[in-house]
Amino acid sequence: GAVVSQHPSWVICKSGTSVKIECRSLDFQATTMFWYRQFPKQSLMLMATSNEGSKATYEQGVEKDKFLINHASLTLSTLTVTSAHPEDSSFYICSATRLAGDKDTQYFGPGTRLTVL
Amino acid sequence: SQKIEQNSEALNIQEGKTATLTCNYTNYSPAYLQWYRQDPGRGPVFLLLIRENEKEKRKERLKVTFDTTLKQSLFHITASQPADSATYLCAVNDYKLSFGAGTTVTVRA
Repeated sequence: GAVVSQHPSWVICKSGTSVKIECRSLDFQATTMFWYRQFPKQSLMLMATSNEGSKATYEQGVEKDKFLINHASLTLSTLTVTSAHPEDSSFYICSATRLAGDKDTQYFGPGTRLTVL
Repeated sequence: SQKIEQNSEALNIQEGKTATLTCNYTNYSPAYLQWYRQDPGRGPVFLLLIRENEKEKRKERLKVTFDTTLKQSLFHITASQPADSATYLCAVNDYKLSFGAGTTVTVRA
């Protein structure tokens, strides 16, 4: 149990376009979903935390108008990278914690590789 | 926020040996600490969580210790196998989960 999926698994887009990434908890309801970014050979960096039905909390230095997060239900969160630029190219990973059970463990999705040309 | 340091970027060991990875944190002891496995191009997979009142935790061939005096956690893979080759991440619970950069383990057959 505790499977998280992401779609798409990879995406290539032109500079200036917007890209939407979906994160779904497949077999559990998620209290909270998190969005991370990981550059090559670096650690995961938390971008934002979102709870269903409320506004996301963004980490310092993360532009909320550029990285739009919508948490529409207990099983779905989306991250939209608006007006993407080459420096936004990265590996984006979401995670979720269970509504019921151990709330301390985050279950991660497989990640989405974004390349902006 | 916490600074998380994992002892080495890479660790190469012979199959059957024990791999020992170190994770040090700098600030106050967290309520719990976690270890994850990450394969190339994939998201992290949860392995073990150890709380501050626990000294040791085991799961199959994995063992984690937590020493709040040393501000350190050790992660052991016993009887290592080539399939254990991956990057292992230490994560500390602050108000958020803070990750170390990871140690890439390569197990030679």
